[in-house]
Amino acid sequence: AQKITQTQPGMFVQEKEAVTLDCTYDTSDPSYGLFWYKQPSSGEMIFLIYQGSYDQQNATEGRYSLNFQKARKSANLVISASQLGDSAMYFCAMREGNSGGSNYKLTFGKGTLLTVNP
Amino acid sequence: EPEVTQTPSHQVTQMGQEVILRCVPISNHLYFYWYRQILGQKVEFLVSFYNNEISEKSEIFDDQFSVERPDGSNFTLKIRSTKLEDSAMYFCASSRDRAFGYTFGSGTRLTVV
Repeated sequence: AQKITQTQPGMFVQEKEAVTLDCTYDTSDPSYGLFWYKQPSSGEMIFLIYQGSYDQQNATEGRYSLNFQKARKSANLVISASQLGDSAMYFCAMREGNSGGSNYKLTFGKGTLLTVNP
Repeated sequence: EPEVTQTPSHQVTQMGQEVILRCVPISNHLYFYWYRQILGQKVEFLVSFYNNEISEKSEIFDDQFSVERPDGSNFTLKIRSTKLEDSAMYFCASSRDRAFGYTFGSGTRLTVV
């Protein structure tokens, strides 16, 4: 089973509108973290936002917010007031906790290609 | 803002040759990783490194791969005998701890011909 599922291969949004990028995850670990990264066409991976499994509130970072629904195992990224520069690939990723371990590797979804139209 | 630096940005190599990809993680970070992304596909974990040893490796990370932190600042990935299917973008990442996110380098695009 996929640990991270991003069901939207591509999304389009008009400039200045909000857009939600979906992410569902699968883990039996009670301690985990969820991350969103942006990958523009130049290829670098840019960290956007983080949500811990024990965090009571949804994470926000500027125009980015994470709609965390723990019972549904979903962690959707909401981008408000889209800008042309938001056009990129967006990856959801999960870090599962392992007590006493030092791994902390990330497992990525397949990504969603967001295109912002003027 | 501190960065993870990767060199070279692009490398073309002949099949069967050895390559070394270099990374300078952020200085106060403790956990180091290599990931790869085959063109158009998702990012895949290769190996994690902590306290001067490999803490986990994926099934991709076979005997052809090795990592080193030779001098306390550099973190290298070596592929001993490259194959065509090793062509990918290779990302180095580091983290201080899990609550702070992982900082990725800008990647090395490796092309094996």
